[in-house]
Amino acid sequence: AQSVTQLGSHVSVSEGALVLLRCNYSSSVPPYLFWYVQYPNQGLQLLLKYTSAATLVKGINGFEAEFKKSETSFHLTKPSAHMSDAAEYFCAVRMDSNYQLIWGAGTKLIIKP
Amino acid sequence: DAGVIQSPRHEVTEMGQEVTLRCKPISGHDYLFWYRQTMMRGLELLIYFNNNVPIDDSGMPEDRFSAKMPNASFSTLKIQPSEPRDSAVYFCASSTSTGVNIQYFGAGTRLSVL
Repeated sequence: AQSVTQLGSHVSVSEGALVLLRCNYSSSVPPYLFWYVQYPNQGLQLLLKYTSAATLVKGINGFEAEFKKSETSFHLTKPSAHMSDAAEYFCAVRMDSNYQLIWGAGTKLIIKP
Repeated sequence: DAGVIQSPRHEVTEMGQEVTLRCKPISGHDYLFWYRQTMMRGLELLIYFNNNVPIDDSGMPEDRFSAKMPNASFSTLKIQPSEPRDSAVYFCASSTSTGVNIQYFGAGTRLSVL
């Protein structure tokens, strides 16, 4: 069965440092891939999506993610962290066969001043 | 567009009481999803609808939970009777059946069962 693994339930970086949040999926078919962000006491909102076009996908707030089929990965990066990036980030996969999303467990990003 | 609207935002009830959560999807969206989020179990899909018809309810924890979608603009999730372990944040999301099917989430209902 399809699964999504996010490495690290919590990631802590200093303000201005590189952000790297890891996501790996298990699939033999290139899927649709998403990163969502959840700010405290809010719903999830789409950060970026991969739809088999360019492998490097740019999203909102300076985030980007690179799809690597050989590594079945879709890691999220941002060159310079800002305090406002503190949130929980979820990776998700959608297969062609249905409209459900398979969700990772989430990674809480902590920004140190 | 107003986005996905959920009500109430917060609900506090006592064990054994009936709880009804409400959701208004984005106009024109034909998929609707109900999720539950807890610290222990993360984000869980409970049920989803397509064109008001339930497609997969395998995530509904037990018979105490039921969901309906009487029309394209309204859905309910009901818990009867409620138990303390039902305490969680419940999200509704909607999407279209065309394109990438991005799911748009509501702000959620925080349920506390005492």
